[in-house]
Amino acid sequence: ETGVTQTPRHLVMGMTNKKSLKCEQHLGHNAMYWYKQSAKKPLELMFVYNFKEQTENNSVPSRFSPECPNSSHLFLHLHTLQPEDSALYLCASSQGQEGNQPQHFGDGTRLSIL
Amino acid sequence: GNSVTQMEGPVTLSEEAFLTINCTYTATGYPSLFWYVQYPGEGLQLLLKATKADDKGSNKGFEATYRKETTSFHLEKGSVQVSDSAVYFCALRLNTGFQKLVFGTGTRLLVSP
Repeated sequence: ETGVTQTPRHLVMGMTNKKSLKCEQHLGHNAMYWYKQSAKKPLELMFVYNFKEQTENNSVPSRFSPECPNSSHLFLHLHTLQPEDSALYLCASSQGQEGNQPQHFGDGTRLSIL
Repeated sequence: GNSVTQMEGPVTLSEEAFLTINCTYTATGYPSLFWYVQYPGEGLQLLLKATKADDKGSNKGFEATYRKETTSFHLEKGSVQVSDSAVYFCALRLNTGFQKLVFGTGTRLLVSP
């Protein structure tokens, strides 16, 4: 139990579907992150939220839309995805954004685009 | 820029063997250094960290020492177990202001009985 819960664990969707990934953290952290993990590639940071405000969008296509209604919840809304978007999507949180604060990760959502 | 380089895997060892996974970094400032572990079907878990030069991080029998002179943070364990089979990620993050966590590509460790 890492304190960061992601749902669903697995998601299969067609390219025209709309779905959302959910992340919830129970650690009292104020920063949350979305990462994409693809086979044989380094983790890619997608979005960062600090106190509900987006502080980074790492050139992510607009078919990915994040939402952070409060410091404990983070969503990733998906629309018109491409096959290359199939990957493991990881959510993380940290107490602040200082360098020495580790990030705590959820178990991820395995996304497959048909 | 800031980057992390890890040895290519997989690293294949027998149970009770000594483990070293090399990690070197380049950074424009003063980073904190981390090792994360990812077990099959799970997310990343923080294994250990070191926030300044000469610090040694340790956890679950794993150790890594922050070596500024060689810009390295090699992961070691004296006697591996089958349950240590996982992917290990080295990462850095600058200590000044908000900075991204920069990951290496990961090293897969396979331990056989």
